[in-house]
Amino acid sequence: DGGITQSPKYLFRKEGQNVTLSCEQNLNHDAMYWYRQDPGQGLRLIYYSQIVNDFQKGDIAEGYSVSREKKESFPLTVTSAQKNPTAFYLCASSTSDLGGPNQPQHFGDGTRLSIL
Amino acid sequence: GEDVEQSLFLSVREGDSSVINCTYTDSSSTYLYWYKQEPGAGLQLLTYIFSNMDMKQDQRLTVLLNKKDKHLSLRIADTQTGDSAIYFCAESHGNYGGSQGNLIFGKGTKLSVKP
Repeated sequence: DGGITQSPKYLFRKEGQNVTLSCEQNLNHDAMYWYRQDPGQGLRLIYYSQIVNDFQKGDIAEGYSVSREKKESFPLTVTSAQKNPTAFYLCASSTSDLGGPNQPQHFGDGTRLSIL
Repeated sequence: GEDVEQSLFLSVREGDSSVINCTYTDSSSTYLYWYKQEPGAGLQLLTYIFSNMDMKQDQRLTVLLNKKDKHLSLRIADTQTGDSAIYFCAESHGNYGGSQGNLIFGKGTKLSVKP
């Protein structure tokens, strides 16, 4: 079945360490997104990518990096510069009609990142 | 700036109707969405409505949009215990090259259904 797969489900980071969260989709979607969810805060956009080899910063990009080398994959790296990384991270994807409206975003099941 | 507001909690009895409300500030919103999140899971798209529509019905779900008041509501008929979750309202503009159709989310309404 088509869908979005995030891994791992749980991840622990030591001080000063970079960690990478995986997001893979087989929906043939052009656009992919990363959100951070904190309790009582809703979702905030970290990075998004409309097409391969292109990505843009969202509202809270500092301390994060991404790549989009393949259409199916949009990994997120949480760097040591992100001082408060403990959160639930959600990846999403959607079709993207250039010059027209994006279609609804579909979400993965999330990765919960904690600090050791 | 853009903002989406929702009440944080709603409690109903099983079998009753639930109405979850949302207000938004950006009049250029083109799409408005409702997502459901169960504990420890991602967001599940429930339904969405274009800004040129007033109402959309899908089985037990009814979405009402008052564009003049920038008010969106989600009604769940015959609410069941399995409907207990957090419900997020979100808006987007939907134009590539502008705000790129990115979603602006409310903080979510936690629906508790009592037997």
